[in-house]
Amino acid sequence: DTEVTQTPKHLVMGMTNKKSLKCEQHMGHRAMYWYKQKAKKPPELMFVYSYEKLSINESVPSRFSPECPNSSLLNLHLHALQPEDSALYLCASSQGLAIQETQYFGPGTRLLVL
Amino acid sequence: GNSVTQMEGPVTLSEEAFLTINCTYTATGYPSLFWYVQYPGEGLQLLLKATKADDKGSNKGFEATYRKETTSFHLEKGSVQVSDSAVYFCALKGGSNYKLTFGKGTLLTVNP
Repeated sequence: DTEVTQTPKHLVMGMTNKKSLKCEQHMGHRAMYWYKQKAKKPPELMFVYSYEKLSINESVPSRFSPECPNSSLLNLHLHALQPEDSALYLCASSQGLAIQETQYFGPGTRLLVL
Repeated sequence: GNSVTQMEGPVTLSEEAFLTINCTYTATGYPSLFWYVQYPGEGLQLLLKATKADDKGSNKGFEATYRKETTSFHLEKGSVQVSDSAVYFCALKGGSNYKLTFGKGTLLTVNP
């Protein structure tokens, strides 16, 4: 089973709202990732967690706040977003961070900021 | 740094045609190479991968061979189907940077 699940599938929020995206995997993977994908572009890495600790923050604005409550769950808390933050947000996981490890992606949450 | 250059589309083919999507890379050391596919409205799915030179990855009729001498990882399929219509991303992971570096993606449309 190589499934990564994400909820919700779609989210519409105003610029003053607070919302959260959720990601879950049960493959025993110890690395989890958040990506942002704009239309017709490749995914852009936002955050990497390894063993539940933040390993990489790709200079993401503080209105995006990641959280890894346990090894199976990854959240992305959203606050005071801008319309340009509208995108597909993808979660991924891998066994570890080694070069040969495959990242498995979830279906994504399509976010619209009004 | 690492980079991936892939053939930009869109690519339009008739069903049962032969497919090639070119991908070349720049990286230090010995990267791992991946092809991901993204169907409309969905996330990315791993299509195939290769982790060392001369390895051939294959899945669902798609193949790609890791060519270190030409720094290439071209995707091929002998006979495409309408259901293969999607965006294909070539990607690498290598060096001390464990990020996935993606190409820009190639939109493939297969007509009946």
